[in-house]
Amino acid sequence: DAKTTQPNSMESNEEEPVHLPCNHSTISGTDYIHWYRQLPSQGPEYVIHGLTSNVNNRMASLAIAEDRKSSTLILHRATLRDAAVYYCILSMHSGYALNFGKGTSLLVTP
Amino acid sequence: DAGVTQSPTHLIKTRGQQVTLRCSPKSGHDTVSWYQQALGQGPQFIFQYYEEEERQRGNFPDRFSGHQFPNYSSELNVNALLLGDSALYLCASSLAAGAFSYEQYFGPGTRLTVT
Repeated sequence: DAKTTQPNSMESNEEEPVHLPCNHSTISGTDYIHWYRQLPSQGPEYVIHGLTSNVNNRMASLAIAEDRKSSTLILHRATLRDAAVYYCILSMHSGYALNFGKGTSLLVTP
Repeated sequence: DAGVTQSPTHLIKTRGQQVTLRCSPKSGHDTVSWYQQALGQGPQFIFQYYEEEERQRGNFPDRFSGHQFPNYSSELNVNALLLGDSALYLCASSLAAGAFSYEQYFGPGTRLTVT
């Protein structure tokens, strides 16, 4: 399975944008890029996913590099509730196994 | 609409014992996956069930087994418990096909402690 590399931790101020990077230099042409987050004491929750084009939804935006070797999850205005561990995951098929790494722990300060 | 539910919430077992964890998927979902999350680590995929059969399996020993029932609910069984099996066990449900098959919904997990 293709691997992803994320920073261990990041910090942001409340109401400011946050850019969470993910490197996946060995991504294959059929790999989808998924982002999940896990709030304290909860199971992971889906954030966004994409294949080649940038994607937007109500939670976040996903910017995918042209060569697909990296991507960035963008939270437009961080809130205290966005403090969580964010996982960038590659998956060959929709709905198949998600291979979580250690993710990025995001701290949001008032 | 209830999301993914898991039972029990917590349990404590002794090394060598056997344990069964249960999961009810989100309404309308037909696929169930199980994950193990050790403290401070990301979840690790154990296996996935669809149409009552194991469709995909991660790198876990045969002590870990599962079952899916006709109503799509699922059980995870672990035999001969080891101290290292202490973890949060997460269940996730999804649709096998369709426009939203990419999204997995996770339950709150079962915290297993092996002493």
